Amino acid sequence: NAGVTQTPKFRVLKTGQSMTLLCAQDMNHEYMYWYRQDPGMGLRLIHYSVGEGTTAKGEVPDGYNVSRLKKQNFLLGLESAAPSQTSVYFCASRQGMGGQPQHFGDGTRLSIL
Amino acid sequence: RKEVEQDPGPFNVPEGATVAFNCTYSNSASQSFFWYRQDCRKEPKLLMSVYSSGNEDGRFTAQLNRASQYISLLIRDSKLSDSATYLCVVNIGSGNAGNMLTFGGGTRLMVKP
Repeated sequence: NAGVTQTPKFRVLKTGQSMTLLCAQDMNHEYMYWYRQDPGMGLRLIHYSVGEGTTAKGEVPDGYNVSRLKKQNFLLGLESAAPSQTSVYFCASRQGMGGQPQHFGDGTRLSIL
Repeated sequence: RKEVEQDPGPFNVPEGATVAFNCTYSNSASQSFFWYRQDCRKEPKLLMSVYSSGNEDGRFTAQLNRASQYISLLIRDSKLSDSATYLCVVNIGSGNAGNMLTFGGGTRLMVKP
């Protein structure tokens, strides 16, 4: 009953380092999303994907790249981490368009020093 | 004007009280509506979908008013465990924008003993 799984749960990086966050879903969902949430603020969409091999920019895409090589996985990359990217990152998936809700992973807490 | 607007609160209510939140949305083409709950430092979780005729799930009742473009959430007999942030979520359902759910900033509820 895994649903949406995010790896890692916590990470501390130094400015300029790179890393990849992994999101995996076992619900055969077409759509996947990456959000960031800063303290006291709402969710902001970084990138999303409507199917294997496709990605699109969200509200705050700068400084991030994504890939969806397999339907079940959606990777978020930080090429050169900056302190402004310190945040909690949530991945979500959704069956498709229409009246379908999103299901979220439990988040990755990322600190950049 | 934000696409989805909520009163951030906090709403401070005693245990057993009835409390209601409203959420307004700007796009009249919106077709799907949801309420999510988010606990502090946790992922958002689907509370309930909102149907045109209104719907109830235990102590929770959701209503949709398309003419005035708002949805509401009513919580009866509030419990301490209801303390959380409640997110209003809207989907247009078609076109590129239909690929995404639009989240409100959330309304914080604090239920006191």
